[in-house]
Amino acid sequence: DAKTTQPPSMDCAEGRAANLPCNHSTISGNEYVYWYRQIHSQGPQYIIHGLKNNETNEMASLIITEDRKSSTLILPHATLRDTAVYYCIVRLDSGGSNYKLTFGKGTLLTVNP
Amino acid sequence: DTEVTQTPKHLVMGMTNKKSLKCEQHMGHRAMYWYKQKAKKPPELMFVYSYEKLSINESVPSRFSPECPNSSLLNLHLHALQPEDSALYLCASSRHASGSYNEQFFGPGTRLTVL
Repeated sequence: DAKTTQPPSMDCAEGRAANLPCNHSTISGNEYVYWYRQIHSQGPQYIIHGLKNNETNEMASLIITEDRKSSTLILPHATLRDTAVYYCIVRLDSGGSNYKLTFGKGTLLTVNP
Repeated sequence: DTEVTQTPKHLVMGMTNKKSLKCEQHMGHRAMYWYKQKAKKPPELMFVYSYEKLSINESVPSRFSPECPNSSLLNLHLHALQPEDSALYLCASSRHASGSYNEQFFGPGTRLTVL
């Protein structure tokens, strides 16, 4: 799986949008970008994933650059409960080691009142 | 029901004890996973079960013994553990072990302390 690079930490004011970047410059054509988060002392939680197009669900939006070498997870209106470690993971869409989620160090997002 | 449950929440055991961790899901998922997470580190995959059969063992020591009695249950049997095995043990499940749109759903974990 391609490696990802994320800033170790970020701060965001409550109610503002949180934009979390991820670099995955060695991503291949059949690899998806997945985002998970882990609130302190809980299990990781799936947020969103995408291949080429931008994606949106009830939790977040995922913006993937045209060359697919980077992406941004957007939490449109961050709340204190969004404080967590956010993991960007690149994963094959099928076959090979597709079963595997390889977590990097992630970004600790702190939402401040 | 979109939940993965794990019991116990916390476990303290001695190095000579035998204990088991339990995981359950009722989402009809056919793949289940054990992960280990040390303090301030990301989760690391230990085992993958697909259709109740062990398909992946990430070179885990034999003192950890997984078991999948049926498609909803996953156990992790522990024996002769070392203090360095103290960690958060996470269970996850997904529709299948491979393929597209195969997000994993995680339980809250069992916090294990080995004395």
